[in-house]
Amino acid sequence: DTAVSQTPKYLVTQMGNDKSIKCEQNLGHDTMYWYKQDSKKFLKIMFSYNNKELIINETVPNRFSPKSPDKAHLNLHINSLELGDSAVYFCASSHHGTADRAGYTFGSGTRLTVV
Amino acid sequence: SQQGEEDPQALSIQEGENATMNCSYKTSINNLQWYRQNSGRGLVHLILIRSNEREKHSGRLRVTLDTSKKSSSLLITASRAADTASYFCATDGSGGGNKLTFGTGTQLKVEL
Repeated sequence: DTAVSQTPKYLVTQMGNDKSIKCEQNLGHDTMYWYKQDSKKFLKIMFSYNNKELIINETVPNRFSPKSPDKAHLNLHINSLELGDSAVYFCASSHHGTADRAGYTFGSGTRLTVV
Repeated sequence: SQQGEEDPQALSIQEGENATMNCSYKTSINNLQWYRQNSGRGLVHLILIRSNEREKHSGRLRVTLDTSKKSSSLLITASRAADTASYFCATDGSGGGNKLTFGTGTQLKVEL
């Protein structure tokens, strides 16, 4: 079974549309994240939730709204999509705190293309 | 701002050779981690080294950490074609928040 699964894998949409990406983890982790990877492979954190509570909210346009209905799910909704939103979005999960040696577990990514 | 800078940006070696990648960072850390990303895939955690550790081994991987120089290196010994991937260092800052900040990555190509 896939540990961190995100859907869809590919998303092509027009400017101005609203879209959602879903993420689910079955690892029992208490913290989940959204990262954005641009065309130069630069990875930047967007959001982090711990037990459904938002703990990290980087400088992200408020067109991006995360939602965590429970600690196993973290969805990302994007309003009024722009060309610059084209990227690969990765969901990840981990145990909270620095004591865990397993690091983050990443999903396989959602490649978003805005045309 | 980006925490880690990796060097080199790209590395091409022959199978059986060793590959060394370096990472420098700017602020104090709790731990530093290395990840691998195959083309079109997600990142896979390789190894974690804590700030009070100097060296860690895992199979063909050897990681060093020098907190005085704010740098780390990843050595892959006896490389294989399957090691071809991008490698990223990531720092877990001592400021808390359990936030990993990733470096710019090294693209490794291992040729037969």
